Amino acid sequence: QKEVEQDPGPLSVPEGAIVSLNCTYSNSAFQYFMWYRQYSRKGPELLMYTYSSGNKEDGRFTAQVDKSSKYISLFIRDSQPSDSATYLCAMNNDYKLSFGAGTTVTVRA
Amino acid sequence: DAGVTQSPTHLIKTRGQQVTLRCSPISGHKSVSWYQQVLGQGPQFIFQYYEKEERGRGNFPDRFSARQFPNYSSELNVNALLLGDSALYLCASSPVDTEAFFGQGTRLTVV
Repeated sequence: QKEVEQDPGPLSVPEGAIVSLNCTYSNSAFQYFMWYRQYSRKGPELLMYTYSSGNKEDGRFTAQVDKSSKYISLFIRDSQPSDSATYLCAMNNDYKLSFGAGTTVTVRA
Repeated sequence: DAGVTQSPTHLIKTRGQQVTLRCSPISGHKSVSWYQQVLGQGPQFIFQYYEKEERGRGNFPDRFSARQFPNYSSELNVNALLLGDSALYLCASSPVDTEAFFGQGTRLTVV
C-alpha cells in the first residue's frame, strides 16, 4: 500500500466550476500537508501549506485536513482555464516529502 | 527574490555515462532535497542535505550520490546511467522541515 493515495483523474470541468481534489494517507506521523500545482514539464509550485486539522483559505483555494480520517482535500472555486494543470498532494513528518501520484485537471473555457 | 535554480534544464546522456546536476537554493535556506519524477508519477525522494550533512536518503542505488557546498548549493551525481534513470530531477529548498520550494527541474534523457 502506498503511503499517499491520490486519484489520478483526469478531471475535466467547465470554467467557473468548483474543482475538488482529494488524497488519503496511511502514515499517522505526517505533520505537514501541502498542495502543489505542476504545469507540463515544469517544477511543482507550492499552492497551500497546512499543519493542523481544519480549513485554510487563500483566495480561490481552500485546503482541508482531517487527521482523524487521514484525508486531505483541495477546493478551487471559480476555476479558470489557467488552472489546468496536475495537482500534487504532499506530506511530511521530518525531512522527506511523500507525494501522491497527481491529479490532472482540465478547465474547459 | 530568486527562487530555486537548477542547471542544466535538459540533457541527453548515453547508457553507462555519468551526469552531474546542480541546484542553488533560495537565499537563506539551508536545506536542499533532491527528487526524481518519472512521467505520470509523483516525485520520489532521493536525498536531503542540511548544513552540508546528509540527513536522509531514499530507496535509490549507490549510483546516486550528492553533496552540499558551504554556500548551500548542491550537486546530484548519477553514475553508470540506465535507461530507467530518464526522468525529471527536482531540487527543493526549505528553511527548516516545513514547506519545500521546487526548482524547474532538469530533464534527463538516457539513450
